[in-house]
Amino acid sequence: AQTVTQSQPEMSVQEAETVTLSCTYDTSESNYYLFWYKQPPSRQMILVIRQEAYKQQNATENRFSVNFQKAAKSFSLKISDSQLGDTAMYFCAYHKNYGGSQGNLIFGKGTKLSVKP
Amino acid sequence: DARVTQTPRHKVTEMGQEVTMRCQPILGHNTVFWYRQTMMQGLELLAYFRNRAPLDDSGMPKDRFSAEMPDATLATLKIQPSEPRDSAVYFCASAHPRGNGVTDTQYFGPGTRLTVL
Repeated sequence: AQTVTQSQPEMSVQEAETVTLSCTYDTSESNYYLFWYKQPPSRQMILVIRQEAYKQQNATENRFSVNFQKAAKSFSLKISDSQLGDTAMYFCAYHKNYGGSQGNLIFGKGTKLSVKP
Repeated sequence: DARVTQTPRHKVTEMGQEVTMRCQPILGHNTVFWYRQTMMQGLELLAYFRNRAPLDDSGMPKDRFSAEMPDATLATLKIQPSEPRDSAVYFCASAHPRGNGVTDTQYFGPGTRLTVL
C-alpha cells in the first residue's frame, strides 16, 4: 500500500526567509502524481503545487518550488521569501496514475508552518 | 471563479440523528470525492464517484454512511444514525477528467464541520 510521510510536525520561519518542508512516500508504481496542499486556519484545502512523476523537471509556482527525487521517493517543498499568509498546515499527497482507485489521494499527516514577523 | 461548494458549513447534532451533507462539484468535473479529516486519522478517503457511478467506497462505514450522486451537480453524504465518533470535517473535492480516465488535480470545497453530541 502507498504511504506518505511528513516527518516534521511543526516548523517555523522568519518572514522573508526560506523554509523547506520534507515529504517521503512509498509506492511500487512508476506513474503517479504528487501534490502539496495548504490548509490555513479557515480549513480550506488549497492546491500549492503539483508534480507528475514522469517529469524530471521540478515544478515551480512563484515562491513555491519542489525538489523531486524519484529514486529516493522524496518530494520536498521550498517556500522562498516567506510571508505571514503562508502560515498554515501543509499536506503532501500522492495518487497513482492508473488502475483501481486511481484518483484516491493519500495524504501525509501534515506539517504546521508558522511564519513569524 | 469556479469553486466546489458544500452545505452546511457547520452542523451540530445529537447522537442518533440523521445528517446529510451536500456538495456541488465544479461544472464539468466528472469525478467527486468525499474525504474526512480528524485529528487522530488525518485526511482519509470515504468514497468517490466518476460520472455519478461509485468507484470506491471502501473507506466508508457501510452500516451508517451512504453516498450518492443524484445528478451531475449534486453529491450527498448521509450518516444515519450519527455517533460522536463521526465528529470531523468532511470535505468534498472534484476533478476534471483527463485522457484515458486519469483524474486531474482535485479541488476541495470548504468542508462541513460536524459535531455529534
